[in-house]
Amino acid sequence: EAQVTQNPRYLITVTGKKLTVTCSQNMNHEYMSWYRQDPGLGLRQIYYSMNVEVTDKGDVPEGYKVSRKEKRNFPLILESPSPNQTSLYFCASGLAGFSGANVLTFGAGSRLTVL
Amino acid sequence: KQEVTQIPAALSVPEGENLVLNCSFTDSAIYNLQWFRQDPGKGLTSLLLIQSSQREQTSGRLNASLDKSSGRSTLYIAASQPGDSATYLCAVRLNTGNQFYFGTGTSLTVIP
Repeated sequence: EAQVTQNPRYLITVTGKKLTVTCSQNMNHEYMSWYRQDPGLGLRQIYYSMNVEVTDKGDVPEGYKVSRKEKRNFPLILESPSPNQTSLYFCASGLAGFSGANVLTFGAGSRLTVL
Repeated sequence: KQEVTQIPAALSVPEGENLVLNCSFTDSAIYNLQWFRQDPGKGLTSLLLIQSSQREQTSGRLNASLDKSSGRSTLYIAASQPGDSATYLCAVRLNTGNQFYFGTGTSLTVIP
């Protein structure tokens, strides 16, 4: 089954304790992206990647890091989490480029609470 | 920067009614527009994608239209059912860059 898998789905942590949220897709998509969803603000893009070793900042990259060492994986790293990073996080993937129907496929989401 | 707005934020209708959800965007230089459905605690499911050269797309009871010049898209749901209750989001991708801009969504409740 074609899917985007995120882990963990739920996480409670404390300020300053490094954490990684993993994202994996099995559709051979070039494009992968991370979003955070907050009430009243909608989905905001954190980082995206057009292919292996190619990453770029979205609208809200502060406090986050990403890496794309393999095509299927795109982990989101919070080096020193703070309470304002408490949010619902989504990973998405799709075809890159400007040809064809670039349908975004989303993971189920990871709810992060930073105390 | 692209701003995407969805009005109303919430909508409640009785079962069987036809309804329209609205999405407006400020920059008309879009590559495509996508409508998603989000159920509570779940991810987003793609419903329809309209390329910038298209005026509408249909899937079952859903019909999405696009008017680039006025910066608007609508999602029409025919004969609504309780199972249609969810939050509906639209997202646009510009002709330049690789960012997707999302609206804040419309929360739909269909009352049996």
